[in-house]
This record gives sequence, C-alpha cells and structure tokens, in this order.
Amino acid sequence: AQSVAQPEDQVNVAEGNPLTVKCTYSVSGNPYLFWYVQYPNRGLQFLLKYITGDNLVKGSYGFEAEFNKSQTSFHLKKPSALVSDSALYFCAVRDNNNDMRFGAGTRLTVKP
Amino acid sequence: ETGVTQSPTHLIKTRGQQVTLRCSSQSGHNTVSWYQQALGQGPQFIFQYYREEENGRGNFPPRFSGLQFPNYSSELNVNALELDDSALYLCASSLMGLPNQPQHFGDGTRLSIL
Repeated sequence: AQSVAQPEDQVNVAEGNPLTVKCTYSVSGNPYLFWYVQYPNRGLQFLLKYITGDNLVKGSYGFEAEFNKSQTSFHLKKPSALVSDSALYFCAVRDNNNDMRFGAGTRLTVKP
Repeated sequence: ETGVTQSPTHLIKTRGQQVTLRCSSQSGHNTVSWYQQALGQGPQFIFQYYREEENGRGNFPPRFSGLQFPNYSSELNVNALELDDSALYLCASSLMGLPNQPQHFGDGTRLSIL
C-alpha cells in the first residue's frame, strides 16, 4: 500500500526567504503525487501534482515541487515566502487504485 | 462549475448517538471519498464510493457506513458515536480511472462528541 511521510511537524521561515516543506513517499508502481494546502476551518486546496515528465513541477501561488525518484521524495518549494503562505501543508500519494493517502501535515509559519 | 459542498458545517452529538453527513460532488465527478481528520493530524481515508457501491475502505470499523446516490452525492453514517469520533470529516470528489487528477475537497463537517 502507498504511504507518505512528512518529517517536519513545523517549518518556520522569514518573509522573503525561500521555503522547503519535505515529503517522502512509498508506492508500488508509478507514483501520482500531490500537494495540498489547508487554511483554518477549510478543506484541502490543491496546489500541484507530479504525474510524469519534468522533475520540477510548477503549481499555484508560486509554489513548485521537486520530484526525486532515487530518494523517493517530492519536496515543496517556494523561492520567496509570503506571510499569507502560513498554513498547513499536506503531501499525498495515489496509486492506480484511485484512493489517496496523506501525510500528517507540516505547519508552515512565515514571519514578517 | 459547482464545487464540493458538505452539510452541515458543524454538529454536536453525544456518545452512542448516530449521525449522517452529506456531500454533493463537483459537477462531472462520479467518485466520492470520505476522510476523517482529527485535530493536528492528516486526513485518514475512510472509504470511497463509485457507481453507488463502496470501492475501497480504510481502517475504520463497520459502524462507519456510506451511500452514494444516482446523482453521485453521498452520505457518511456513523453509528454508536464515540468520543474519538470527534473530528473534521472531509468529502472529496474525483473521476474514476484518472488517478493523475486531483481530488477536490469540500470544507468539511466539524463533528463534536460530548
């Protein structure tokens, strides 16, 4: 069965600095990888996905993610963080069975 | 395009009671998945419905059950509520057979058990 690990419960960065939120995955077969963001009292909002092709995936709000097959990682990045990026971020993996598995989440705090 | 809607937004129940949560899928989507998100945790997969039948289930007891209707909307039923059932329940819709497409989430139902 597929699984995802987010090794950091919390990431703190200063506004304007680059940010990275880490994710590693385990799946049999080709991975379908996703990043979602959750704001307080809201559902999950899709940010970006990796299916196949370029290892650097660009998504919404200036976020991008780097897929690394040898390290089974899919880290979320942004070159310059905004205070409004502060939220809970979830990495997810899906196999061909269509059900999705989420990591425990990483709380990103961007300080002015 | 109509997004995923869930009702009610908040619900308070007591132990032993039963609850029904509702979800309308995004237009064009035929698959509904339900997740439980406890405070400070990631969403845990409960089950998925496709063609009005359960199409995969996570590690949840049988007192968690569901339905899907011909219009693809869905219900989550929980019997004999326990304190640990307190959580945000999320519904997500998608198209079966397209694992490369994201699931779309509603804003959830916050269930509190007293």
